[in-house]
Amino acid sequence: AQSVTQLDSHVSVSEGTPVLLRCNYSSSYSPSLFWYVQHPNKGLQLLLKYTSAATLVKGINGFEAEFKKSETSFHLTKPSAHMSDAAEYFCVVSYSSASKIIFGSGTRLSIRP
Amino acid sequence: GAGVSQSPRYKVAKRGQDVALRCDPISGHVSLFWYQQALGQGPEFLTYFQNEAQLDKSGLPSDRFFAERPEGSVSTLKIQRTQQEDSAVYLCASSARRGGGQETQYFGPGTRLLVL
Repeated sequence: AQSVTQLDSHVSVSEGTPVLLRCNYSSSYSPSLFWYVQHPNKGLQLLLKYTSAATLVKGINGFEAEFKKSETSFHLTKPSAHMSDAAEYFCVVSYSSASKIIFGSGTRLSIRP
Repeated sequence: GAGVSQSPRYKVAKRGQDVALRCDPISGHVSLFWYQQALGQGPEFLTYFQNEAQLDKSGLPSDRFFAERPEGSVSTLKIQRTQQEDSAVYLCASSARRGGGQETQYFGPGTRLLVL
């Protein structure tokens, strides 16, 4: 079955330190992978997406993610956290043969001053 | 241009009441999706339209849930005889072309439904 697993439900980092949010997907066939961010009382916003081009994908607000087929992973990183990054982050997988996308359970990112 | 809009933003219903949730997708977008997001969880797929055709309704949890998009633009999600377990945020998304694969979905702010 198609699935995506976010390994941490909550991550807390200090402002100015690196961020790592982990995501693994099931590998039935070539996926498209996305990261979305959800701020309180706001809609989901696309951060970045992987669609079988470059394996290192750069997104908005300094975020990037690397597609690693051998590890079936698509971890999200940022070199230096900012207070405004505090939000819920969702890893999402989509397969070309399906109409729907599948969300992970989410990782809540907290930033300590 | 305007993004995806949803109304109402908040809805409180008494158990057994019928509710209707509206979604206005981005103008010209072919595909429209509905998701249900329970508290503390990721969104779960409910149903998918390509223009006015409902191509996938495999995620609708029961026959109390019904969605339509009669003219291929605005969509309505209707829940009949609401139950407490229907309390959730209902998200609508649209994409420019057919759903799935590499298409980016653009999400509305959601309708928060509370059933008492």
